[in-house]
Amino acid sequence: EVQLVESGGDLVQPGGSLRLSCAASGFTFSRYSMNWVRQVPGEGLECLSYISSSGRTIYYADSVKGRFTISRDNAKNSVYLQMDSLRAEDTGIYYCARERTRDAFDVWGQGTMVTVSS
Amino acid sequence: AILLTQSPSSLSASVGDRVTITCRASQAINTALAWYQQKAGKAPKLLIYDSSNLESGVPSRFSGSGSGTDFTLSISSLDPEDFATYYCQHFNAFPQTFGPGTKVEI
Repeated sequence: EVQLVESGGDLVQPGGSLRLSCAASGFTFSRYSMNWVRQVPGEGLECLSYISSSGRTIYYADSVKGRFTISRDNAKNSVYLQMDSLRAEDTGIYYCARERTRDAFDVWGQGTMVTVSS
Repeated sequence: AILLTQSPSSLSASVGDRVTITCRASQAINTALAWYQQKAGKAPKLLIYDSSNLESGVPSRFSGSGSGTDFTLSISSLDPEDFATYYCQHFNAFPQTFGPGTKVEI
């Protein structure tokens, strides 16, 4: 079964750090680009970061540039999101999503909740 | 960044109704548009890719069309399981922004 499972979400104070992980199974992970998407509960979806299959191409949304770092380990079938200098507005559900050849996010994880609050 | 707008933001419909949702891009994106369905507490689910291609396993009552800046998602006959929020997303460049969503309610 093709699956993505996120972990690492937690309650963290403003200014703190958190590392999210996304474990892939059921497909050849190294062939796919991956993305992190955020959703404030009850609101819309925001693309945060993209990493190519090789890890050589990376993009960030302006809202997280300089604070978040995406990485992947193809040997471990995992993609990560290191989040530093967290702000209250970073609160939300974080999804990892598989990108299929620049035309869709065809596989999504169940999401992990990040709450930034003192 | 390319902005996507959706209309309406919400709609009320009945089982069996035909429903059409529109998505407009701030600049031409050819056919690089996908549609997703999201139910409460769940991750989004891919319905349509490349503007008009039905994802495997998605019921044929869903269809998409459009190119350039104007796109539509249609549901030919609304099923009880279709009450959800629908999002469009472009793939023309990063960031692959999403539209704000359209909530389909009873």
